[in-house]
Amino acid sequence: ETGVTQTPRHLVMGMTNKKSLKCEQHLGHNAMYWYKQSAKKPLELMFVYNFKEQTENNSVPSRFSPECPNSSHLFLHLHTLQPEDSALYLCASSHGDRDNEKLFFGSGTQLSVL
Amino acid sequence: KNEVEQSPQNLTAQEGEFITINCSYSVGISALHWLQQHPGGGIVSLFMLSSGKKKHGRLIATINIQEKHSSLHITASHPRDSAVYICAVVLDGGATNKLIFGTGTLLAVQP
Repeated sequence: ETGVTQTPRHLVMGMTNKKSLKCEQHLGHNAMYWYKQSAKKPLELMFVYNFKEQTENNSVPSRFSPECPNSSHLFLHLHTLQPEDSALYLCASSHGDRDNEKLFFGSGTQLSVL
Repeated sequence: KNEVEQSPQNLTAQEGEFITINCSYSVGISALHWLQQHPGGGIVSLFMLSSGKKKHGRLIATINIQEKHSSLHITASHPRDSAVYICAVVLDGGATNKLIFGTGTLLAVQP
């Protein structure tokens, strides 16, 4: 148990659906991250939030919309996704967003887009 | 070519064997992480190091900054060590904790 909880664990959605992924941590961390892990590819950073402010958007398509209402919660809103967006989406947190911060990962949401 | 390369990609070992997983990178870094991912997705941070060597139980991680290379060793391997081991580097001078990941090494330890 890393202290970072993601829901749901699995999600199947059609291309016209709208859904949201949720991540929460009660570790007192100020930085939260969304990563995408596609089959046989390295993890890719999507977004970074520090003190609720977005500090990194790694050229992610607008059909992925993050929201960070407070330092403990992070959402990823999904709409009009494509089948190639099927992947494991991982949330992580760290004390700060500077270099050399240890990351704590959630168990991920396995997303399938039909 | 990935900026972070791991070898081997797949590794099968017998219980009790000494295991080495290698990571080479081509960029300047301030730190390197070794992560463990079990089936089901969850990732656990094993080590973060910027020089020398760290040890935790049966796991040892080393890094040679000059050679841009790190190794993860597992002594007296056990079937519960079966997982994907991922190397990730933190870019030197990066303003944000932005990791670049290797593709992972899938380890299977057979009883």
